[in-house]
Amino acid sequence: GAVVSQHPSWVICKSGTSVKIECRSLDFQATTMFWYRQFPKQSLMLMATSNEGSKATYEQGVEKDKFLINHASLTLSTLTVTSAHPEDSSFYICSAPGQGRRETQYFGPGTRLLVL
Amino acid sequence: GESVGLHLPTLSVQEGDNSIINCAYSNSASDYFIWYKQESGKGPQFIIDIRSNMDKRQGQRVTVLLNKTVKHLSLQIAATQPGDSAVYFCAEASTGNQFYFGTGTSLTVIP
Repeated sequence: GAVVSQHPSWVICKSGTSVKIECRSLDFQATTMFWYRQFPKQSLMLMATSNEGSKATYEQGVEKDKFLINHASLTLSTLTVTSAHPEDSSFYICSAPGQGRRETQYFGPGTRLLVL
Repeated sequence: GESVGLHLPTLSVQEGDNSIINCAYSNSASDYFIWYKQESGKGPQFIIDIRSNMDKRQGQRVTVLLNKTVKHLSLQIAATQPGDSAVYFCAEASTGNQFYFGTGTSLTVIP
């Protein structure tokens, strides 16, 4: 079946640094990918829709200058948390619809970010 | 549609019993609903889905019921097993591919 990978699996960084998280569709192309954030014991919150060849669409309340999204190719989207602070510590998950169909949404394994 | 991040409700069931997990969704325009299972430290895993033109769908050991009148979704797990212990989320989608997740329920199966 289709696989979505994320890298890194987890990262620890100092406050003020920027962290880049990659989301790759391994055996299919994705013109759209989605980024979610999940705090402990809470639900997944959709942050933004990453669009290949155009700007990302951010959900209400998500700072686009804080969370930079680049859909570099049909198999890669990156999320950069700029000037990370402890409150940005979270579990970041991406997903991609297989063959552009929402019924076959594939989720990555997630990236755990800890900002000290 | 928007999801609300609240602390997870919990459900404990004896092994072999049936489990029922409930979810209320917010957007009356949502036409596609999915149940996901999430184990600690992992991404969501698809369980079963249902379209708004249906009110019931069955899979292997799982059944999803949809009540559009009250915007309620439920997941029934038959003969619950220890491996079913996880957090379960419902998600709703309308016109686009964006999924909005519900609060989630933490299921613990007692051997």
